[in-house]
Amino acid sequence: GAGVSQSPSNKVTEKGKDVELRCDPISGHTALYWYRQSLGQGLEFLIYFQGNSAPDKSGLPSDRFSAERTGGSVSTLTIQRTQQEDSAVYLCASSSRTGGSGNTIYFGEGSWLTVV
Amino acid sequence: AQKITQTQPGMFVQEKEAVTLDCTYDTSDQSYGLFWYKQPSSGEMIFLIYQGSYDEQNATEGRYSLNFQKARKSANLVISASQLGDSAMYFCAMREGRMYSGGGADGLTFGKGTHLIIQP
Repeated sequence: GAGVSQSPSNKVTEKGKDVELRCDPISGHTALYWYRQSLGQGLEFLIYFQGNSAPDKSGLPSDRFSAERTGGSVSTLTIQRTQQEDSAVYLCASSSRTGGSGNTIYFGEGSWLTVV
Repeated sequence: AQKITQTQPGMFVQEKEAVTLDCTYDTSDQSYGLFWYKQPSSGEMIFLIYQGSYDEQNATEGRYSLNFQKARKSANLVISASQLGDSAMYFCAMREGRMYSGGGADGLTFGKGTHLIIQP
């Protein structure tokens, strides 16, 4: 499809298990972002990839969270030893360029993670 | 201080009426962009409208317009002739343009959103 694709759309996992969330950005978009949205909250920035540059990990809440982006395209967000407070919608977004204002970011539909 | 403030957690509006969703922002940058997104119950974030800090005209996109008051640091979204399908969460967001590639500032800072419900 033409949009940002995320999988799985829903994931229920037991506390302590690891989960992987996948994002396939819009073709040609060099910038990729992961955000998290908890119930009743705004979006929380997690991590940002731009091309082959080192990612900006400043938003990751703990060392249980990591992300990689292979070949400048698909990205995987991994949460190790999940906790109940990790339950949220994880949104991936991509954009065609960076630097300055005016660059629209397109979001995927999100991966709903529930930790029980 | 919050960078993006949306003071209306929820709003009820009659169908066909105009709606104004408030957003104020805080930045020391001269170059920045302001965005509005719609999030229906299905969860995806749909881009609605963008206003650049140097744009002199208020942005318009169909039934959406952005009332940009730079001196007040406000960027309210106006929806004309509201429809039942407009019921959703609406998020105001900002990108501060001072930092370029590799900087987290290239990501967006979002407000907490306004839940808009259009009543028939």
